[in-house]
Amino acid sequence: GQNIDQPTEMTATEGAIVQINCTYQTSGFNGLFWYQQHAGEAPTFLSYNVLDGLEEKGRFSSFLSRSKGYSYLLLKELQMKDSASYLCAAIDEDYQLIWGAGTKLIIKP
Amino acid sequence: DSGVTQTPKHLITATGQRVTLRCSPRSGDLSVYWYQQSLDQGLQFLIQYYNGEERAKGNILERFSAQQFPDLHSELNLSSLELGDSALYFCASSVGGEEVWVATQYFGPGTRLLVL
Repeated sequence: GQNIDQPTEMTATEGAIVQINCTYQTSGFNGLFWYQQHAGEAPTFLSYNVLDGLEEKGRFSSFLSRSKGYSYLLLKELQMKDSASYLCAAIDEDYQLIWGAGTKLIIKP
Repeated sequence: DSGVTQTPKHLITATGQRVTLRCSPRSGDLSVYWYQQSLDQGLQFLIQYYNGEERAKGNILERFSAQQFPDLHSELNLSSLELGDSALYFCASSVGGEEVWVATQYFGPGTRLLVL
């Protein structure tokens, strides 16, 4: 079956760095997305990775290892507004998104 | 603003009733997706349409149905509503196709459904 695993909840301190991990098992693989979702709002696109390595976008970076079925989202210089759920989604062989349950990130002052 | 619109924003109805949720995709997007998200739960994929045709089906109940019209807007019909159907219903759209960038989904603001 197809499966995405990510931690349910994480806590970090304002100004610090946090890494949210995601492992995936899919029928075929065509890339991986990260989305941010604030409570009660729509998910918004953050990044996608197709090739192995790190993609940096301002304070957010996303890493992919296809051989390990593993990705992480790295958030630097955490701000209170980064408190949200972070959703990992892998693209399978039919270009369908397989969604993880999301990681709720709590930022403390 | 993602460019995806959904109406209505809020809907309150009673058990046993039927409702229709509407979605207009971003200009140029051919694919529309429907998701259900219950309180503090993950996104549950319901169904996808591509250029008017059903493309993929997720955990969609038989009481639920959807369609995509020639102008590419989509409607999700929920019937014989139960208390457990109370949730946020999101519509997303993408260009559609077999490249990562066209698979990127952009979400509408959602319709919050409350069944009493």
